[in-house]
Amino acid sequence: AQTVTQSQPEMSVQEAETVTLSCTYDTSESDYYLFWYKQPPSRQMILVIRQEAYKQQNATENRFSVNFQKAAKSFSLKISDSQLGDAAMYFCAGTLIPGSQGNLIFGKGTKLSVKP
Amino acid sequence: EAQVTQNPRYLITVTGKKLTVTCSQNMNHEYMSWYRQDPGLGLRQIYYSMNVEVTDKGDVPEGYKVSRKEKRNFPLILESPSPNQTSLYFCASSSTLVSEQYFGPGTRLTVT
Repeated sequence: AQTVTQSQPEMSVQEAETVTLSCTYDTSESDYYLFWYKQPPSRQMILVIRQEAYKQQNATENRFSVNFQKAAKSFSLKISDSQLGDAAMYFCAGTLIPGSQGNLIFGKGTKLSVKP
Repeated sequence: EAQVTQNPRYLITVTGKKLTVTCSQNMNHEYMSWYRQDPGLGLRQIYYSMNVEVTDKGDVPEGYKVSRKEKRNFPLILESPSPNQTSLYFCASSSTLVSEQYFGPGTRLTVT
C-alpha cells in the first residue's frame, strides 16, 4: 500500500538553530513527486518545497532543503536558521499511487515549535 | 489575486440534511481536489478532477459526491451527512497533477 510516514508527531527547535523533519514513504512507482507543506495556526496550507523523484539533486528553497534518498524511500526536510514564523504543522506528501498521480497521499504531520 | 475560495467557511448542520460546499478558483487550473483533515490523520483526499467532466475517487470518497461542470468550480456535495463527516475540508487546485497545489482557506463542518 502507498503510505507516507512521519515518525515525529512533535519537534522543537531553538530559534536560529537547524532542525530536520523525517518522512518515509512506500510506493512501487519509479516516477513521482514529493512535497512538504506547512500549515500555520491560520490553517492555510502552504507549499514549502517540491522534489521530483527522477532528479537526483536535492531541492532547496532558501532556508529549506531536503535530503531525498530514493532507494531508502526517505524525504526529510531541513530547516536552517529557524525563525519564530516557522512554527507550524508540516506535512509530507507524494503522488505515490501507480496510474493515479492525481491522488496525493499525505503523512499525519509533524508539529514544529520554535523557542525564542 | 490568484486564489481558491470556499463557502461557507463554517457550517453546523444536522444528520441527513443535504449540503453543498462550493469551491472556485480563478487561475484557470485544470486539476482540482477535495481533502478532509482530521486530528492525528493528516489530510486525506476525497475526490479529484483532472478537467471538466473528469473526476475520480481519492482515499475516502464514501458519503461524498462531486461535479465539475465548469473549469473554475468543483463543489463537494454531502447528500446525507453523518456525524463522522465532521471535519475540516480543503479544496485545492493546480495547473497540472504534480505542480504546486493552491489550497482554499478551509471549511469547518460540524454534523450533529
